[in-house]
Amino acid sequence: EAQVTQNPRYLITVTGKKLTVTCSQNMNHEYMSWYRQDPGLGLRQIYYSMNVEVTDKGDVPEGYKVSRKEKRNFPLILESPSPNQTSLYFCASSHPQETQYFGPGTRLLVL
Amino acid sequence: QQQVKQSPQSLIVQKGGISIINCAYENTAFDYFPWYQQFPGKGPALLIAIRPDVSEKKEGRFTISFNKSAKQFSLHIMDSQPGDSATYFCAASYAGKSTFGDGTTLTVKP
Repeated sequence: EAQVTQNPRYLITVTGKKLTVTCSQNMNHEYMSWYRQDPGLGLRQIYYSMNVEVTDKGDVPEGYKVSRKEKRNFPLILESPSPNQTSLYFCASSHPQETQYFGPGTRLLVL
Repeated sequence: QQQVKQSPQSLIVQKGGISIINCAYENTAFDYFPWYQQFPGKGPALLIAIRPDVSEKKEGRFTISFNKSAKQFSLHIMDSQPGDSATYFCAASYAGKSTFGDGTTLTVKP
């Protein structure tokens, strides 16, 4: 089954404790992205990658890191999480200029 | 600076009616304009999409109208059904970069 998977689905952490949210796709997509979704603000792109070892900032990259060492994986790293990073996070993948397939989401609470 | 503006924020339509959601963009580099549907607790899923060389695209009850000169595009849902009640997002993208509208919560009354 073609899909985007994210782990964990739910996470509660404390300020400053490094965390990683994993994302994997099995559709051989070149493009991958991370978004955060907050009430009333829609989805805002954090980082995106157009291929292995190619990443670029989206609209809200501050406080986040990403890497793309393999085509299928695109982890999101929060080196020192803060409460304003409490949000619902989505990973997505696509071929160029085609629809994005979204993962199920990761709900993060930073205390 | 918000590059994609979506309206209305919420919409209530009677069953069988037409739902219309509008979006306006600023960056002329955008080359792909999808609409996504999101149900509570789920990730967004593609509904219908259009490229700027086409002025209209129809798939079943869903139609996108695209006005390149005005930098606007809209989603029309014909014969709206209660099962269409969801949040709808327009988006605009190019070269991997995507910008979403703030979303429209559609409620279809039976």
